[in-house]
Amino acid sequence: GAGVSQTPSNKVTEKGKYVELRCDPISGHTALYWYRQSLGQGPEFLIYFQGTGAADDSGLPNDRFFAVRPEGSVSTLKIQRTERGDSAVYLCASSFERGNSGANVLTFGAGSRLTVL
Amino acid sequence: DQQVKQNSPSLSVQEGRISILNCDYTNSMFDYFLWYKKYPAEGPTFLISISSIKDKNEDGRFTVFLNKSAKHLSLHIVPSQPGDSAVYFCAAHAEGSNYKLTFGKGTLLTVNP
Repeated sequence: GAGVSQTPSNKVTEKGKYVELRCDPISGHTALYWYRQSLGQGPEFLIYFQGTGAADDSGLPNDRFFAVRPEGSVSTLKIQRTERGDSAVYLCASSFERGNSGANVLTFGAGSRLTVL
Repeated sequence: DQQVKQNSPSLSVQEGRISILNCDYTNSMFDYFLWYKKYPAEGPTFLISISSIKDKNEDGRFTVFLNKSAKHLSLHIVPSQPGDSAVYFCAAHAEGSNYKLTFGKGTLLTVNP
């Protein structure tokens, strides 16, 4: 597609439930990223995929959070036993792999707003 | 410990005048700095970047200045237009970990007609 597509755009769930957030990156972008933006904050790094593998998941807050990218394209962020503190906008981004030179310009999707009641 | 700080939550400017958005950082390992613009209900969109070996980068109405010794950068928008009204995020990354952008909290710019 022309841009990074994220679904759902809005998700309201109850505390303790399981949620999945989906990201469809720009065609040809091999790198995929998940960030989380809480109210009044800037986006915070969660996880980075190079192809199918998670190259760095150090930003995931705890083991309730997990992300997959089985075929190297679409990614799903999975949150188990949701808590009210998980409420945020979850942003997905993609880019070409550029090695270690130059500014890494990420293209972001519109985000999935998660509200945990 | 905020490594990228945008100390002004908001800024209001008259159309046609200059907008100056400021950003400070603490991590001397950062090699690249980026500015993103965000409209409501949209994702952040890339605006302009600068390498730590430069002190200025210009793209049309947008110029970013970097003062490495002061660990300070600023984004200048001249002339400001009402369509520039958005939240502006400063972000940074090191060369070796270019997948991990560190963002500031953002500054809401309002350009009044």
